Amino acid sequence: GNSVTQMEGPVTLSEEAFLTINCTYTATGYPSLFWYVQYPGEGLQLLLKATKADDKGSNKGFEATYRKETTSFHLEKGSVQVSDSAVYFCALSLSTGANSKLTFGKGITLSVRP
Amino acid sequence: EPEVTQTPSHQVTQMGQEVILRCVPISNHLYFYWYRQILGQKVEFLVSFYNNEISEKSEIFDDQFSVERPDGSNFTLKIRSTKLEDSAMYFCASKQGQSSYNEQFFGPGTRLTVL
Repeated sequence: GNSVTQMEGPVTLSEEAFLTINCTYTATGYPSLFWYVQYPGEGLQLLLKATKADDKGSNKGFEATYRKETTSFHLEKGSVQVSDSAVYFCALSLSTGANSKLTFGKGITLSVRP
Repeated sequence: EPEVTQTPSHQVTQMGQEVILRCVPISNHLYFYWYRQILGQKVEFLVSFYNNEISEKSEIFDDQFSVERPDGSNFTLKIRSTKLEDSAMYFCASKQGQSSYNEQFFGPGTRLTVL
């Protein structure tokens, strides 16, 4: 079946540190890939996405590249801020229309210290 | 900016009781979803809904669960007889277009606690 695996957390970094959050997937077919972020007390928000191999999604200084050969979609940011503290979810979607459900990873909590 | 809203934010109920979780999707969206996250576990798909009927449901979505769009704005999830293992955060989501890479917009969630 389809699945998403994220690295274990939580992750604690100092402000301006480099961030990598690993995500790998297993899918029957060619999925679209997403990173969602959940800030405290809020719903999940789409951070970035990529729809085909070698696409790079980017937003708010975060980047992730769709790597078909390693079935990965690792999230990176060159210099994190305190405001980036949140839970990050990697997800995939295979189908179109109403069947385009998201399959999520477990999520990882990022805490950034001033 | 339009957003998905959910009520209540926290629901506490006794085992065996019925609960209804409510969601108001974004007004021009056509596709609706419920997900749940048991504490410490993955966000799991429950059901998708389009054109006033269920499009897909997971194994979790058994006969105790039902969804409804009663009035063209609300989208509800009903659990007929709650069990302890139904305790989780429940997220509603909506999407405008049919493509798999259209964004699903999520609500803030309802935390359900079954005692």
